[in-house]
Amino acid sequence: EVQLVESGGGLVQPGRSLRLSCTASGFTFGDYAMSWVRQAPGKGLEWVGFIRSKAYGGTTEYAASVKGRFTISRDDSKSIAYLQMNSLKTEDTAVYYCTRDGESIQGLTYYFDYWGQGTLVTVSS
Amino acid sequence: SSELTQDPAVSVALGQTVRITCQGDSLRSYYASWYQQKPGQAPVLVIYGKNNRPSGIPDRFSGSSSGNTASLTITGAQAEDEADYYCNSRDSSGNLVVFGGGTKLTVL
Repeated sequence: EVQLVESGGGLVQPGRSLRLSCTASGFTFGDYAMSWVRQAPGKGLEWVGFIRSKAYGGTTEYAASVKGRFTISRDDSKSIAYLQMNSLKTEDTAVYYCTRDGESIQGLTYYFDYWGQGTLVTVSS
Repeated sequence: SSELTQDPAVSVALGQTVRITCQGDSLRSYYASWYQQKPGQAPVLVIYGKNNRPSGIPDRFSGSSSGNTASLTITGAQAEDEADYYCNSRDSSGNLVVFGGGTKLTVL
């Protein structure tokens, strides 16, 4: 059974940093790209960024709203994906979900087939 | 702002058919995927690609696409289908990913 468990959320002051972890089990972690998706209270889903598998270079892409402040990394030996969040703003307050990503062979479809339960990050003074 | 546009709310009578739409320029090049989210829960993938259902998703859920619009159709809506529905696809550049703003489905 595929499981994704996020941890590391909490209350943090604006301008500070926080690192989230996503511990995966039930599949070969290194074979998959992983994303972080967030949801502000009462709002919709927002893709934050993804990290490709090592087979595809292990490179990352980010939404414009977090680029330069957030960094995604992975440790395939531990089956963990990380989201390092720096220079946090009040508008970063959200539930952060870790997802396992899927993509069609020709890249015409990009989807998130498994989701964790999320971890709440509150940015407030 | 999202590059994918969804109607904020849609309603359907129990047992009837409802279509939820998602519009955006990127949908001319890429397929949408669809997620169901119930209050206090993580989203669940219901349709991906041209019209693929993950294991465990009822066959009353189906997807289609035409031009810049993708649609999620629920044929014979059930009370348990009441939820928020989100679409996603690659963005117009093909490098990033975007979500629609979500549609709240009410089953009457």
